[in-house]
Amino acid sequence: ETGVTQSPTHLIKTRGQQVTLRCSSQSGHNTVSWYQQALGQGPQFIFQYYREEENGRGNFPPRFSGLQFPNYSSELNVNALELDDSALYLCASSSRGRGDNEQFFGPGTRLTVL
Amino acid sequence: GESVGLHLPTLSVQEGDNSIINCAYSNSASDYFIWYKQESGKGPQFIIDIRSNMDKRQGQRVTVLLNKTVKHLSLQIAATQPGDSAVYFCAEINSSGGYNKLIFGAGTRLAVHP
Repeated sequence: ETGVTQSPTHLIKTRGQQVTLRCSSQSGHNTVSWYQQALGQGPQFIFQYYREEENGRGNFPPRFSGLQFPNYSSELNVNALELDDSALYLCASSSRGRGDNEQFFGPGTRLTVL
Repeated sequence: GESVGLHLPTLSVQEGDNSIINCAYSNSASDYFIWYKQESGKGPQFIIDIRSNMDKRQGQRVTVLLNKTVKHLSLQIAATQPGDSAVYFCAEINSSGGYNKLIFGAGTRLAVHP
């Protein structure tokens, strides 16, 4: 176990709805990255948060947004859900400034959009 | 765009045999690579990493080989066990934005038969 937790485990939404996913980083880690993993594919980088600010973003539209809190936990928000948003959403924590090449992943949240 | 991909989508081996999983990458400037193992219902788990100034690194039952000339990476698992059955991803660290993001390939499923 990595010490990274995510909630909820599973979620079912309908098109057009909004969703919030949560992640608690491993103790001592100050950076959280979010990834989207479609079925049968590798994870795709969404964005990264450090010191409560987004400091990097992949090729995802603005309806994907996030937050990081003072305790380094993080949220991923997706507005106006589309069918293609159905995926496993993974968060990974790391420690910037202490050789943060290794990112520790949580178990993911499985989102199904109907 | 930059990508990390895999040659074989599925690999079936007999228990006790050695397994070799291959990966090709396209960004010649990458200087850090990681292999992850993902079991069903779990997030990716770090297996082993290698820097670009190395061509081989060994762990417990695993060896990663890096050939920068042909931009090829491989993961060798010795004496494969049923518990090794999972999807394996190679990932590249991209630091071009001043932060570390992982670029994953599509993955190879390893099936170990008794």
